[in-house]
Amino acid sequence: GQQLNQSPQSMFIQEGEDVSMNCTSSSIFNTWLWYKQDPGEGPVLLIALYKAGELTSNGRLTAQFGITRKDSFLNISASIPSDVGIYFCAGRQGAQKLVFGQGTRLTINP
Amino acid sequence: EAGVAQSPRYKIIEKRQSVAFWCNPISGHATLYWYQQILGQGPKLLIQFQNNGVVDDSQLPKDRFSAERLKGVDSTLKIQPAKLEDSAVYLCASSLGLGFGGGLVKETQYFGPGTRLLVL
Repeated sequence: GQQLNQSPQSMFIQEGEDVSMNCTSSSIFNTWLWYKQDPGEGPVLLIALYKAGELTSNGRLTAQFGITRKDSFLNISASIPSDVGIYFCAGRQGAQKLVFGQGTRLTINP
Repeated sequence: EAGVAQSPRYKIIEKRQSVAFWCNPISGHATLYWYQQILGQGPKLLIQFQNNGVVDDSQLPKDRFSAERLKGVDSTLKIQPAKLEDSAVYLCASSLGLGFGGGLVKETQYFGPGTRLLVL
C-alpha cells in the first residue's frame, strides 16, 4: 500500500526558532494536507495543498506541494509554546482515502 | 457549531471481550470516517460511509470489526472479540460529502476527540 515517510520523528527546539519538517511518498499525490494533533484531541487541519509547486501560508505556517508530487514541506516560523504537538502530513490520490505519515513530535523549550 | 462527538472517551477491557464506540458527526455532514491510530503512528482509515452506505472498508478487519450508520447520522464501531493489538485511539471524522463525484476532493475532514481503548 501507499507509504508516507515523515521526518524528523521528533524535534526539540528553543522558543523563537524556526521549524522545518517534510514528508515523502512512494506514490504521486494530487492532494497534500498538514494536520496538528494536541494531546487527547483529534487532528486539526492546518493547511491544504492541491497543486504541484503550490506554496500556502497560514499565519506563521507555510507549506509547499513538491514539484514531483511525491513530497511536501511544512515550516513554522518563530515558534511559540502553543506550537507544541504532533504534526501529521497526509496525502491523497483523487478521491481515494487519506494516507497519513507517522507524525513529527514538536517540543519547545521556553 | 458543535463538533464531532465521540463516546466513551476511554475504555479498558480484557482480550476476547467486546466493545462498542459511538460517533455523532457534525450536523449535515454526509460522509463519516472511522480511523484507528496506534500509539506513535498516524491515523489509518478503517471505514468510510457516504450517508448510510459503505464507500471504503478495505482496511477493516472484518472478522472482528463491524460498523454501521443505519440512519445516515450516528455511527457505531464494534470490536468482537478484542485482541491486545487493538489497543489504540479510535477517531471518528466527518465531512460534507459533496466532493466525491470524481477528481480532486477538497473537503475538510473534522475529527472528534477519539476513544482511547486499552485491551489487557
